[in-house]
Amino acid sequence: AQKITQTQPGMFVQEKEAVTLDCTYDTSDQSYGLFWYKQPSSGEMIFLIYQGSYDEQNATEGRYSLNFQKARKSANLVISASQLGDSAMYFCAMREGPNTGNQFYFGTGTSLTVIP
Amino acid sequence: DTAVSQTPKYLVTQMGNDKSIKCEQNLGHDTMYWYKQDSKKFLKIMFSYNNKELIINETVPNRFSPKSPDKAHLNLHINSLELGDSAVYFCAKKVGQGVEAFFGQGTRLTVV
Repeated sequence: AQKITQTQPGMFVQEKEAVTLDCTYDTSDQSYGLFWYKQPSSGEMIFLIYQGSYDEQNATEGRYSLNFQKARKSANLVISASQLGDSAMYFCAMREGPNTGNQFYFGTGTSLTVIP
Repeated sequence: DTAVSQTPKYLVTQMGNDKSIKCEQNLGHDTMYWYKQDSKKFLKIMFSYNNKELIINETVPNRFSPKSPDKAHLNLHINSLELGDSAVYFCAKKVGQGVEAFFGQGTRLTVV
């Protein structure tokens, strides 16, 4: 089974609108961390936001927020007020806890295009 | 069944040693990458290789070198390891013109 699933290979959003990028995960660990990265055309992977499995509040970083639904094992990224510079690949990732070796898993990515 | 396999998962070694991290992919050949994840979780691209062209990030020390013995492998060799090389290293590949990318599980390198 896939550890991280991103079901949207490509997404389009109008500039200034909000967009949600989906991510579901699979783990039996109680302690784990969820990450979102942005990959522009340069290839760098830019860290956006982190959510710990024990965090009760959804993580927020500026225009980014993580909609964490633990029971559903989903960790969707919400980008508000989209900008042209948001066009990039977005990767969801999970780091499992020490009991399973702190393994790191990435989803296959979602390509976001912001339309003027 | 992971599409990209990295070994070892953990590597602890002394300063000055030379070490290799193996990366194997089973999806046919296309572009493969090596990334270094620093303490701030930023993944910096080190190399990309598509069987025709090796693109090197100019900030990567020449102690790091990718080696591709065949189309299924892009291994990372590191000479004269330094304390600052401690990080998690990820291998990844991209298939064709599609948007999907597949990452290995990472190798945590600790230099002591």
